[in-house]
Amino acid sequence: EAGVAQSPRYKIIEKRQSVAFWCNPISGHATLYWYQQILGQGPKLLIQFQNNGVVDDSQLPKDRFSAERLKGVDSTLKIQPAKLEDSAVYLCASSLGGGTGQGLAKNIQYFGAGTRLSVL
Amino acid sequence: AQSVTQPDIHITVSEGASLELRCNYSYGATPYLFWYVQSPGQGLQLLLKYFSGDTLVQGIKGFEAEFKRSQSSFNLRKPSVHWSDAAEYFCAVGPYTGNQFYFGTGTSLTVIP
Repeated sequence: EAGVAQSPRYKIIEKRQSVAFWCNPISGHATLYWYQQILGQGPKLLIQFQNNGVVDDSQLPKDRFSAERLKGVDSTLKIQPAKLEDSAVYLCASSLGGGTGQGLAKNIQYFGAGTRLSVL
Repeated sequence: AQSVTQPDIHITVSEGASLELRCNYSYGATPYLFWYVQSPGQGLQLLLKYFSGDTLVQGIKGFEAEFKRSQSSFNLRKPSVHWSDAAEYFCAVGPYTGNQFYFGTGTSLTVIP
């Protein structure tokens, strides 16, 4: 089974430029997540999709960050304009979703390798 | 508020020695708990999970963790560490329903020969 695919692996941009990251989740996974992981910290959830709808984007800086999952499969995360403090690893994860009770395993999240963004 | 604390930022152990990584959580409802490992330049790999039942759970790569509700802890252990275990370890807590995860800040493990 193929895992979560992300591209690019690395990106270097100057502040105020724009950048986009792409994620292809595990086939059949309805739930997709974008996390930001700043050096020395744990991943922080930016946005969660269930199919092509947003479930939680409370921690997404909406003045500069946007994300979409138009067909309920692939997703893109965009930053425009980028700031120095956006330098981080951006992780995408997916899960089957919807698990409760004995089906909690459906909520296990599987992560991609991430995109390391450096803003100069 | 939900939170996860990993008190040890960095731990160094000798190869073959035992290992315990600490994790404490704060959660208002029944949690389910995870340990992930992240090797340099890689994403997070699930080591083990606790949903319910036996409080001692076994994971991959010889790791185990014990859920102690009275102490709000979910410590990760391994009886004999291998050099390939050097990585960053993250504890995470999630709700009994839904998908929101909260991660700790991680513990970096160095293994010396």
